[in-house]
Amino acid sequence: DAGITQSPRHKVTETGTPVTLRCHQTENHRYMYWYRQDPGHGLRLIHYSYGVKDTDKGEVSDGYSVSRSKTEDFLLTLESATSSQTSVYFCAISESTENEKLFFGSGTQLSVL
Amino acid sequence: AQKVTQAQTEISVVEKEDVTLDCVYETRDTTYYLFWYKQPPSGELVFLIRRNSFDEQNEISGRYSWNFQKSTSSFNFTITASQVVDSAVYFCALRWNTGFQKLVFGTGTRLLVSP
Repeated sequence: DAGITQSPRHKVTETGTPVTLRCHQTENHRYMYWYRQDPGHGLRLIHYSYGVKDTDKGEVSDGYSVSRSKTEDFLLTLESATSSQTSVYFCAISESTENEKLFFGSGTQLSVL
Repeated sequence: AQKVTQAQTEISVVEKEDVTLDCVYETRDTTYYLFWYKQPPSGELVFLIRRNSFDEQNEISGRYSWNFQKSTSSFNFTITASQVVDSAVYFCALRWNTGFQKLVFGTGTRLLVSP
């Protein structure tokens, strides 16, 4: 199994508060991704990273920011959480930009009340 | 536009039945990659298979088989003699060549296999 750890696994927060989710990998893979999973939408890409301090937006990036100061850590921040950001968040990693498969973490269930 | 459609929201079968999960994709690229991922009740997505657009040969892996047909833009997944452990949500995904390593996922098909 790929060494990907997401923390926390579950979080309940209130609207308007900042939230940071962490993804930690031990595989030394260059590429890291944040997805959200919602009923009826499958998985949608929020942000991705192609190296330390190199990040870019995915298809649903509004309201989210990311940072990657070390190869192994990729942080997802909700600056001011909204109820529409209630979702399951998955971190994924891949070794290259080719047609590589993704390895996923176990997910973080976030509820914004 | 790149798109993946999994029209079957949920399928229920009894153990040992064969079941086919449908996946239809849309892309204008001639080079693209198709994937299937399994999400068991534990939640973590697990890679099952990757095919590129130049390889239409069907693949079999144990009880799993995949049928790739460019003529119908489909990449269907069949489980033979289903087992309770096959119960999961299955996602089909598409990566096209002009994009960074970004996958577009279908909405998933929930498979329930009862004993």
